[in-house]
Order: sequence, then C-alpha cells, then structure tokens
Amino acid sequence: EAQVTQNPRYLITVTGKKLTVTCSQNMNHEYMSWYRQDPGLGLRQIYYSMNVEVTDKGDVPEGYKVSRKEKRNFPLILESPSPNQTSLYFCASSLRGTYGYTFGSGTRLTVV
Amino acid sequence: AQTVTQSQPEMSVQEAETVTLSCTYDTSESNYYLFWYKQPPSRQMILVIRQEAYKQQNATENRFSVNFQKAAKSFSLKISDSQLGDTAMYFCAFMGPTDSWGKLQFGAGTQVVVTP
Repeated sequence: EAQVTQNPRYLITVTGKKLTVTCSQNMNHEYMSWYRQDPGLGLRQIYYSMNVEVTDKGDVPEGYKVSRKEKRNFPLILESPSPNQTSLYFCASSLRGTYGYTFGSGTRLTVV
Repeated sequence: AQTVTQSQPEMSVQEAETVTLSCTYDTSESNYYLFWYKQPPSRQMILVIRQEAYKQQNATENRFSVNFQKAAKSFSLKISDSQLGDTAMYFCAFMGPTDSWGKLQFGAGTQVVVTP
C-alpha cells in the first residue's frame, strides 16, 4: 500500500530532551516536507526537501533540524524541545510538488 | 510571501444540502496551483481537489467542485449533496513556483459540520 509512515503517533517528552520523529514513504517521491498544525493557524511548513541532500526552510524552521540521506526517509529532529513546540506534526511527500502532497497520519507531540 | 485566507471558521449544513467554502489568496505569480484538503476527526489529511491556475475549467471530483476566479484570486469549494462523512476541517492551500514548487501554504481552515 502506497503510504507515508511517521512514528510515533503520540509522544510526551520533557523540555530539552532530544527527540526524532521518523518519516518514510514507499512511493519513490522526490519531494518530502514537514508541517506543524496549531489551532487557528492551519498547517505551517517547517522544512521541505526536493531530493536527496537537498533541503530548504519553510515558514517556521527555528528549533528543528532535518536530513535527507535517502530518498524514502525524512526525519525531523528536535535538538532541545521546548513547550512552544507542542503541536501536531505531519510528514508529507509528493512525486512533484505540484501534484499535491500525500500526508502521514500525524504525530501528536507534547513537551512538558 | 503568499497568503491564504479562509474567512469562515465554521459552517453548518444539513444532509443532502449544498455548502460553499470560501478561500482567497494573494500572489503576484501567474502560474500556480491551488488545493483543497479535508481533515476528518481521524486527523488524516486528504487531498480533495486540485486546480491549475492556467486552466480555465473548474476542477470537479464527484460531489466536490471549485469556483476558480483568477482575477479575483478566489478559490471556493462547493460540496453538493452533503453527507455525514463530510464533517471535517477543510483547508485551502496555495503552491507557487518560488521555492521550487515545494512550499504549500495553507489557510486557517473551515470546520464543516453536517447535521442529520
């Protein structure tokens, strides 16, 4: 089944403890992206990648890191999480950006 | 920077009726893409419809159709014959040629509630 898989679905962590949210797609898509969703703000793009080793900042990149070493994987790293990073996170992929993105099922992150 | 505005935070509609969601955007580009996504309570993001700006014809997908007014920078979504399963948050999104077509800009969303 063609899909974007992100893990974990739920995560509670403490301030300052490094964490990684994994994302993998099995559709051989070129583009991958991370979004965060907050009430009243819609989805905001954190980072995106157009191909292996090619990444660029979205609208809210501060406090996040990404890497694209393989085409299928695009992990999101929070080196020192803070409570304002409590949010619902989505990974997404697209063959070409203009086709529209396919989204993963989301990761609910709570930082206490 | 492009902005996407959805002015209706919530809308209610009865089963079998029609509801129209509004979306406006701001851009200086002539070529771009517009999307509507649906997010049911399961929180999964589902692509509903896609429109290419250089195509005059409005996109349709079954009961979902759009009214694309390029000059007015308006992109409304019409849901016909509403069903209970249409209850969801609906997001309008814009993608332009800057940022190598990788950046999808979302509006704040409209919550649609379908009642029996």
